[in-house]
Amino acid sequence: QVQLQESGPGLVKPSETLSLTCTVSGGSISGSYWSWIRQPPGKGLEWIGHIYYTGSTNYNPSLKSRVTMSLDMSKNQFSLRLSSVTAADTAVYYCAKNVFADYWGQGTLVTVSS
Amino acid sequence: QLVLTQSPSASASLGASVKLTCTLNSGHSTYAIAWHQQQPDKGPRYLMLLNSDGSHNKGDGIPDRFSGSSSGAERYLTIFSLQSEDEADYYCQTWGTGIPVFGGGTRLTVL
Repeated sequence: QVQLQESGPGLVKPSETLSLTCTVSGGSISGSYWSWIRQPPGKGLEWIGHIYYTGSTNYNPSLKSRVTMSLDMSKNQFSLRLSSVTAADTAVYYCAKNVFADYWGQGTLVTVSS
Repeated sequence: QLVLTQSPSASASLGASVKLTCTLNSGHSTYAIAWHQQQPDKGPRYLMLLNSDGSHNKGDGIPDRFSGSSSGAERYLTIFSLQSEDEADYYCQTWGTGIPVFGGGTRLTVL
């Protein structure tokens, strides 16, 4: 069974870059889409973007200028970078498999604060 | 642009059944959706992929009490024999050529 695990700093300063990695186990990242989704405290889910195993990406237009996704096939990982963060980027960040998110990571809270 | 509409809240009694609705906006009535459950203080859990013809594929370990159906632009999640652990937020989600979108979620209270 596929399992996903997010990792990265839980605290990021305003204007800096948020960086998260998702490690996939129980299956290869080859052949699938891999997604990042976030949830601000007390709010609903927001799609950040997704990356195909070929490296092709699709980002939320509202975040597109600040988002970069990449993958590392050798480590079975994919990553998210979100630049110029503000307090509005404080959220639980989830990684997921496929555009319909049939497998989710447990999520990691990232707080933007000085 | 894809939009999914869900009622903010629903409630039903322990042991009863409840039907949650997710509505696709005009021009997107044939789209498949996914249902996800988010229990309090937990991450989301995939329930099923639901097609426009009502056929659905459930995720790993999802009980038979969870069922999906469709009618026109509406997609339904029915939960039979409600249990206390079914109290949760339920999100529908769909995707097209652009970015996938989520509905606003329905908070289900089990009385």
